[in-house]
Amino acid sequence: GDSVTQMEGPVTLSEEAFLTINCTYTATGYPSLFWYVQYPGEGLQLLLKATKADDKGSNKGFEATYRKETTSFHLEKGSVQVSDSAVYFCALGNYGQNFVFGPGTRLSVLP
Amino acid sequence: GAVVSQHPSRVICKSGTSVKIECRSLDFQATTMFWYRQFPKKSLMLMATSNEGSKATYEQGVEKDKFLINHASLTLSTLTVTSAHPEDSSFYICSASSGEEEKLFFGSGTQLSVL
Repeated sequence: GDSVTQMEGPVTLSEEAFLTINCTYTATGYPSLFWYVQYPGEGLQLLLKATKADDKGSNKGFEATYRKETTSFHLEKGSVQVSDSAVYFCALGNYGQNFVFGPGTRLSVLP
Repeated sequence: GAVVSQHPSRVICKSGTSVKIECRSLDFQATTMFWYRQFPKKSLMLMATSNEGSKATYEQGVEKDKFLINHASLTLSTLTVTSAHPEDSSFYICSASSGEEEKLFFGSGTQLSVL
């Protein structure tokens, strides 16, 4: 079945450091790929998405590119802030079906 | 934006009791709601899919008599953990779909601890 693997956390960075959270997937068909974020005490929120190969999703300085050849969707941000501290989930999904999530990666950004 | 309210956020109960978790879509009609469970350091795993007015569809390995799901209206779905045991302790989260393509909204989750 479909699956998502993402790097183990926690990830601890200093403010303004470069962030990469790796995500790879296995899937039948051509799913859309997503990054969700869960800030402390809040529900999951969609951060960005890409619906087809070579698409780049971006939001709030974060970006990820749908790489079909490497089955990856790595999340990057050039300069993290303390407010980016959260748990990040990589996911894949198809319209009308449930989503498959990775285990989540906790990011802590220190001032 | 769309909001899904999940209640309670945290519950502690004794073994053998039942616990009900509510998931409400506050500003849209949720044609489909999903219930997930997350074990420590593991992925969110889908438990069941519920459509308003019909029986829930459970994933393989999920006991439907233990995890009762009711989706009686377009804005409310409930998950009842019956005769809870310590191994049911987990983080449960619901999500709701408005029917628009790939629009999925999540509740804030419920941390269940069974003593």
